[in-house]
Amino acid sequence: AQSVTQPDIHITVSEGASLELRCNYSYGATPYLFWYVQSPGQGLQLLLKYFSGDTLVQGIKGFEAEFKRSQSSFNLRKPSVHWSDAAEYFCAVVWMDSSYKLIFGSGTRLLVRP
Amino acid sequence: ETGVTQTPRHLVMGMTNKKSLKCEQHLGHNAMYWYKQSAKKPLELMFVYSLEERVENNSVPSRFSPECPNSSHLFLHLHTLQPEDSALYLCASSQDRVAGAWNEQFFGPGTRLTVL
Repeated sequence: AQSVTQPDIHITVSEGASLELRCNYSYGATPYLFWYVQSPGQGLQLLLKYFSGDTLVQGIKGFEAEFKRSQSSFNLRKPSVHWSDAAEYFCAVVWMDSSYKLIFGSGTRLLVRP
Repeated sequence: ETGVTQTPRHLVMGMTNKKSLKCEQHLGHNAMYWYKQSAKKPLELMFVYSLEERVENNSVPSRFSPECPNSSHLFLHLHTLQPEDSALYLCASSQDRVAGAWNEQFFGPGTRLTVL
């Protein structure tokens, strides 16, 4: 079955510290991978996406993610977190054989300590 | 207005009420989506419309009734809802409904629905 797992429900980091949010997916078909961010009271904003090519992708707001096919992972990273990065982050996957169905993980809430 | 807008932003309704959620996209897209976001659960795809035709009904109860009168507007009509239907309802749009590098889904801010 198609599933997306974000194992961390909450993560707290200090401002200026590095960040890594985990995302794993299951299913064998070729995936398209996304990270979205949701600030309180807002919809989802796309941070970055991976379809093919270089497995390290750069996104907006200084975020990057690396696709590791052997680990079925697409972890999101940022070298130095800012207080404004506090939000909920969602990993999402579309599989080549399921057309438009975007399957979301359950999200990771990021808290930033001053 | 730009992007995807949703009204109202907040809605409180009783179980016997009838109400509607509205979504409008200003992006010239051909596909529109309704999602339900409940606390502690992943976003759930409810409905997909492509060129005003419903192409997906993801086992949603009939008390939710979508309508897509044109490619820019999407409604979700609600009647006799249950308290467990309380959630954030998100609308999204994309160029079309086929997965591809160009086909990012753009989301609206959502309607926070509370059913008493």
